[in-house]
Amino acid sequence: NAGVTQTPKFQVLKTGQSMTLQCAQDMNHEYMSWYRQDPGMGLRLIHYSVGAGITDQGEVPNGYNVSRSTTEDFPLRLLSAAPSQTSVYFCASSYNRRNTEAFFGQGTRLTVV
Amino acid sequence: KQEVTQIPAALSVPEGENLVLNCSFTDSAIYNLQWFRQDPGKGLTSLLLIQSSQREQTSGRLNASLDKSSGRSTLYIAASQPGDSATYLCAVSGSNDYKLSFGAGTTVTVRA
Repeated sequence: NAGVTQTPKFQVLKTGQSMTLQCAQDMNHEYMSWYRQDPGMGLRLIHYSVGAGITDQGEVPNGYNVSRSTTEDFPLRLLSAAPSQTSVYFCASSYNRRNTEAFFGQGTRLTVV
Repeated sequence: KQEVTQIPAALSVPEGENLVLNCSFTDSAIYNLQWFRQDPGKGLTSLLLIQSSQREQTSGRLNASLDKSSGRSTLYIAASQPGDSATYLCAVSGSNDYKLSFGAGTTVTVRA
């Protein structure tokens, strides 16, 4: 049972480049979300999904897109990377929106130069 | 907007001492509260989840209390060990939207 898997673990981008962070879970969880973690600021919610085909914005959605075509996968797309998007990104899942015990991936450390 | 605060930001104790970590939140309309552990360069691991109707939750050496009306939770770790060194984060889930709001964490160092 792999849990929540994120790829890649590390990435360096140039300003203006685009990329997709991958997230997959094998627990048949309905609820998936993306967070960014910056020093001294805790985790902030970027986007979330309550099920396949349904996504919504979190606290800091600008510059990011998501889609949820399957229950298992929830990729995060950076449209045009900016240095302000340098951060550690975490994907999380939980059984559903009310059963919110969250399971996290190992994170992707992204640097935008 | 829910604000979650964890004080202190860092804590260093000798092995064997009990740890007391604090979490406060501004909006008492929560669905539940979770405590997580994060090791350097790793993801978050859920330690304890307290539903809003509960006052405490225990797992082994860990005990978490919740006082919803005053907006506070405390995580107690008994007889600390060097392996307890990590960052501990608390997060509250809103009763309306169930979204998690995180504190910035307390980084704990247990000295052997």
